[in-house]
Amino acid sequence: LAKTTQPISMDSYEGQEVNITCSHNNIATNDYITWYQQFPSQGPRFIIQGYKTKVTNEVASLFIPADRKSSTLSLPRVSLSDTAVYYCLVGDEAGANNLFFGTGTRLTVIP
Amino acid sequence: ETGVTQTPRHLVMGMTNKKSLKCEQHLGHNAMYWYKQSAKKPLELMFVYSLEERVENNSVPSRFSPECPNSSHLFLHLHTLQPEDSALYLCASSPGTANTEAFFGQGTRLTVV
Repeated sequence: LAKTTQPISMDSYEGQEVNITCSHNNIATNDYITWYQQFPSQGPRFIIQGYKTKVTNEVASLFIPADRKSSTLSLPRVSLSDTAVYYCLVGDEAGANNLFFGTGTRLTVIP
Repeated sequence: ETGVTQTPRHLVMGMTNKKSLKCEQHLGHNAMYWYKQSAKKPLELMFVYSLEERVENNSVPSRFSPECPNSSHLFLHLHTLQPEDSALYLCASSPGTANTEAFFGQGTRLTVV
């Protein structure tokens, strides 16, 4: 099971770009990298998933270097409503264990 | 609205009670999950079902008993719980178990008194 390491918390001002980095040194060849967002007392919500290089959707970008031992979630121009916990997950080879959540990064957006 | 519905949203039960949590999805997904989230702790994966068969039982005490009668429904039967079992219980579903996006319900806030 690939272990992930993220900063526990981050603060950012409204309108700034936020980059959250996740380390996953023992990522396996078949693993994908997935990011979720969770607001208090709600279930996590899928943000983005990638395997290598760069993935972009309407809410975020995901940057994955060639060695895939880390990944960076980029949130452009954050607003107060982006205050949440962000989780990085990495699937293992068996596939069935790819939904183990770590401690996540608590992002606080400041006015 | 994620397409995954959990009931009830809130539940208070005594330690001698028996209750059940229900999860329902009509997304055509083949995998369903139960998670527990205690205050200020990460989500803990409890059970995984794939095509109605349990594929993961993450060292969960026997006072929690899952049931998956079909691919659209998942239950968590509770009996003789302890106060430390008070938590947010989240259900999720995904198309499969390998590298797929999971959809979570709103959760059931359980309080054991």
